[in-house]
Amino acid sequence: DAGITQSPRHKVTETGTPVTLRCHQTENHRYMYWYRQDPGHGLRLIHYSYGVKDTDKGEVSDGYSVSRSKTEDFLLTLESATSSQTSVYFCAISGGQGGLNIQYFGAGTRLSVL
Amino acid sequence: SQQGEEDPQALSIQEGENATMNCSYKTSINNLQWYRQNSGRGLVHLILIRSNEREKHSGRLRVTLDTSKKSSSLLITASRAADTASYFCATDEGGSEKLVFGKGMKLTVNP
Repeated sequence: DAGITQSPRHKVTETGTPVTLRCHQTENHRYMYWYRQDPGHGLRLIHYSYGVKDTDKGEVSDGYSVSRSKTEDFLLTLESATSSQTSVYFCAISGGQGGLNIQYFGAGTRLSVL
Repeated sequence: SQQGEEDPQALSIQEGENATMNCSYKTSINNLQWYRQNSGRGLVHLILIRSNEREKHSGRLRVTLDTSKKSSSLLITASRAADTASYFCATDEGGSEKLVFGKGMKLTVNP
């Protein structure tokens, strides 16, 4: 988890409320990723960023938006949270050195949408 | 879509035994990686094997890759209770900036 901080670590919210999760890195890595992890589904990519203001969708992007205004911060927003978005969210970073996408993960954010 | 699929989904062994887990994938890849996740924690990178490699070692880990069968195996030798974790394979879908992870395999090593 070194160099990557996710906040908050736990959050309980109500259906229909907006939620923003933050990922902060101190490694100056180019790539940042948001995943969700659910039982039976493993780890699924929501959105990723390949530079400041450069983002792209992943496998399960519906209902989520992201922003990256600085190299070190990658925000994940649930505009109107739904119960199906109850999950554990992980941020990951990668420097892409040598063309290799070795990813380093944060400790995760456990989100419950009631 | 899930690229890698680990097999078995769960494995329980005694300390000192070897643990083997397999991963199958569907598309061409540049490399395949294995990650470990301890309960309540984020994933940790273990080892990467390139598509032109057949076998790679790192400490007690041995990874093989068979691109003709689109499969990989991870062997943990002389397992320890601390190896208890979930293990994931991940592929790069032929050089993509994204990784696709399997659903994971839960390994329990009993003392």
